[in-house]
Amino acid sequence: RKEVEQDPGPFNVPEGATVAFNCTYSNSASQSFFWYRQDCRKEPKLLMSVYSSGNEDGRFTAQLNRASQYISLLIRDSKLSDSATYLCAVNFQAGTALIFGKGTTLSVSS
Amino acid sequence: GAVVSQHPSWVICKSGTSVKIECRSLDFQATTMFWYRQFPKQSLMLMATSNEGSKATYEQGVEKDKFLINHASLTLSTLTVTSAHPEDSSFYICSVSRSSYNEQFFGPGTRLTVL
Repeated sequence: RKEVEQDPGPFNVPEGATVAFNCTYSNSASQSFFWYRQDCRKEPKLLMSVYSSGNEDGRFTAQLNRASQYISLLIRDSKLSDSATYLCAVNFQAGTALIFGKGTTLSVSS
Repeated sequence: GAVVSQHPSWVICKSGTSVKIECRSLDFQATTMFWYRQFPKQSLMLMATSNEGSKATYEQGVEKDKFLINHASLTLSTLTVTSAHPEDSSFYICSVSRSSYNEQFFGPGTRLTVL
């Protein structure tokens, strides 16, 4: 079983749609959780950290469910510019390497 | 501005050539840097953890004699792919961790193509 699993998609949605991605992790010792965005042939960029209480940043909402070992990312009012691959990542303590999922591809069309 | 730089951004070489990739932390000193590799449509996979002043720690399945890592200063780590072969063609990305914030900053990556 892979450590971090994501539905690869692709998710094809129209502008303005709400889309949700899930990610599961296998190691219950995981401490920190993140969503990254990666554009084609570029490095990943941090979208948001995921906190136990859930957190929101504009149109993006991240949630963590430790009991079920999954994290989610909700994107509201999708924009064309949201088209990218979204990677979830976990690590076991601050300053250690990240373990990434394969990523979920989102394509937003007009 | 960029926190981490990588050089070169892309390289095409013949099979058997050795290729050196540099990763520089621009904003802060980094005792630890990470090297990842990403094949097309795959996840970023950790190759090794680069430790300033000591030997790198390699992940299982990554040959330390093939992927030489040198972290000689607090701002520079290098990855040398020795005797590169076509199967080494990949996107190599380094990252720097600011441990107090548990945030990692990624370099722009190096796309290696071995002919």
